[in-house]
This record gives sequence, structure tokens and C-alpha cells, in this order.
Amino acid sequence: GAVVSQHPSWVICKSGTSVKIECRSLDFQATTMFWYRQFPKQSLMLMATSNEGSKATYEQGVEKDKFLINHASLTLSTLTVTSAHPEDSSFYICSSDPRTVGNTEAFFGQGTRLTVV
Amino acid sequence: KQEVTQIPAALSVPEGENLVLNCSFTDSAIYNLQWFRQDPGKGLTSLLLIQSSQREQTSGRLNASLDKSSGRSTLYIAASQPGDSATYLCGIQGGSEKLVFGKGTKLTVNP
Repeated sequence: GAVVSQHPSWVICKSGTSVKIECRSLDFQATTMFWYRQFPKQSLMLMATSNEGSKATYEQGVEKDKFLINHASLTLSTLTVTSAHPEDSSFYICSSDPRTVGNTEAFFGQGTRLTVV
Repeated sequence: KQEVTQIPAALSVPEGENLVLNCSFTDSAIYNLQWFRQDPGKGLTSLLLIQSSQREQTSGRLNASLDKSSGRSTLYIAASQPGDSATYLCGIQGGSEKLVFGKGTKLTVNP
């Protein structure tokens, strides 16, 4: 299957700082990527849809100024958590699917465990 | 709004047993349904994808079925192994491309 690579796999930061998470499609071009957040023992919740070359679409209740998304190329989307607070500690996962080859199967990155202290 | 429920929330079985995981959804207007596996602290690994026009898909010891009219899907695992221990997630894609997930079933296969 297609490969989506996410980096870093874990990060610890101080409250008030910003953290950038990268999501790369390694063997296909991704015009659309999705960012999810997962709390312990909870389902994945979609935060935003990242569109290459245009603004991201955020889900209701997600602060766009806090969770900055940039999708500047067909293989890279980034999520920046700005002015992080302890309540932002969570597991963040990105996904995409290689629609250019007619495949609608979603592939996920390895996830990033963010801990804000 | 699509809602996805997975039952049971947790399941513990002895090695070698066949088992069924359940996924139900409220809106039958789906594009596809995908079963994933998630190991602790890791991302999701795609197991099976069922398009809305299909009724089942098989891969090795895994078989997934889809009944849109009743809003149900099952994941059947044959001859379970300790390596199958993980959380299994059901994700449903509607017309908006995004996936809606259940909370998952945590499976433990005991040696």
C-alpha cells in the first residue's frame, strides 16, 4: 500500500511554545491530507482537511489560529500547534489516499504523541 | 451526521479462536468502509476496504462484510494469534471524503 510518513513520532514541549508536525506522502501525490486527533480510549476526531495550494478546511470547534496547517506541496502537509497548552497534549495522526491512481483507500502516518508540560 | 459504534469495546480470547468484531453506522449513504488496526502509540494500518457496492472483502485470515441496508459491518478473524492483539477501528467514508471512526475494539489474544 501507499506510504504516509509522519514526523516526529513524539515530542515534549513547554507550555507556550509552538510545535510543528510533518506529514509526507512518500510514493504518491496527495492533493488532500487529513489531520486527526485522538485522546486515550477515544475515537479519532477529524480536525481539518488540508488542501494543496489552498486554505485548510477546519472542523467545527477547531481553532484555525491555534492549529496552523500548511500544504505547500503535493507531498507535504504540516500542522503547527501554536502556543501549546497542556490540554493540547494528545496523539495527532495524518492520513491521505492516492486518488491519482483511482485508489480511495486511506493510509495513515505513524502518529505524533505531543506532551505539553 | 454519521455515527459509528463498535461492539464490544474490548475482547479477550484464547489463541486459535475465531472471532467477530462489529461495527454499526447510522447513515447508510456511504462511499466505503475501511477496517484498520492500531497498535499502542502507533498510527493506523489499513486491513480491508469495502466499497459501497461490495458485500465483503477477504485478506488472509481476515474477512470483512458490509450490509448497508442494516448499517452493519463485521470483521471476522480466523484462527486468532497473539500477534493479532491490537485495537481494531472501523472507519466510514461518506460523500465528503473524510472518515468517521468508531471508538474501536481492543482485542487481546492470549497464548
